[in-house]
Amino acid sequence: GENVEQHPSTLSVQEGDSAVIKCTYSDSASNYFPWYKQELGKGPQLIIDIRSNVGEKKDQRIAVTLNKTAKHFSLHITETQPEDSAVYFCAASNESGGGADGLTFGKGTHLIIQP
Amino acid sequence: ETGVTQSPTHLIKTRGQQVTLRCSSQSGHNTVSWYQQALGQGPQFIFQYYREEENGRGNFPPRFSGLQFPNYSSELNVNALELDDSALYLCASSLAGLAKNIQYFGAGTRLSVL
Repeated sequence: GENVEQHPSTLSVQEGDSAVIKCTYSDSASNYFPWYKQELGKGPQLIIDIRSNVGEKKDQRIAVTLNKTAKHFSLHITETQPEDSAVYFCAASNESGGGADGLTFGKGTHLIIQP
Repeated sequence: ETGVTQSPTHLIKTRGQQVTLRCSSQSGHNTVSWYQQALGQGPQFIFQYYREEENGRGNFPPRFSGLQFPNYSSELNVNALELDDSALYLCASSLAGLAKNIQYFGAGTRLSVL
């Protein structure tokens, strides 16, 4: 089955600086890669996703890059703000299968924005 | 907010008991997936329901079972509870088809097994 590794487990950055979180996956059949943000006491919130037919996607301060050859993808947050503090999860799945294998998640990155 | 609602928010049970958790999917979504999130870990896929049938399953024993109803809401049942079942249980809804894995999560049910 799929295995997703996520680094770092904790990331502390100064407000206004950029943050980068990296993930690797093992199954070359995976073709859908979402990123979720989870705040304390809440469920994961989808913030951006990318499919394997593109290498980069951007939405305002958030961007995701994908390297299919190396099987890794990254989340980039620019101009970080205090409300970006949360736990971020990467995930991978194969959308092409007839059944459902669900999303395979990394272990999460606790992002701390220092004022 | 995603529109996915789960009940109850918190639950305390004793080892060996049975529990039922409930989920209402986002309007227009016909597929429901359940995940278990242990403290400090990422969510783990339990199973998915589509058209009232189990459509895929992760590495969980048969004592984890589910139902989906005609209105697309769903239940997760866990029999013979074990201490390791203590976790946040998340429900996610999606739309079948090419977007089936664009999943929107509820806030979860926190289960404590004593």
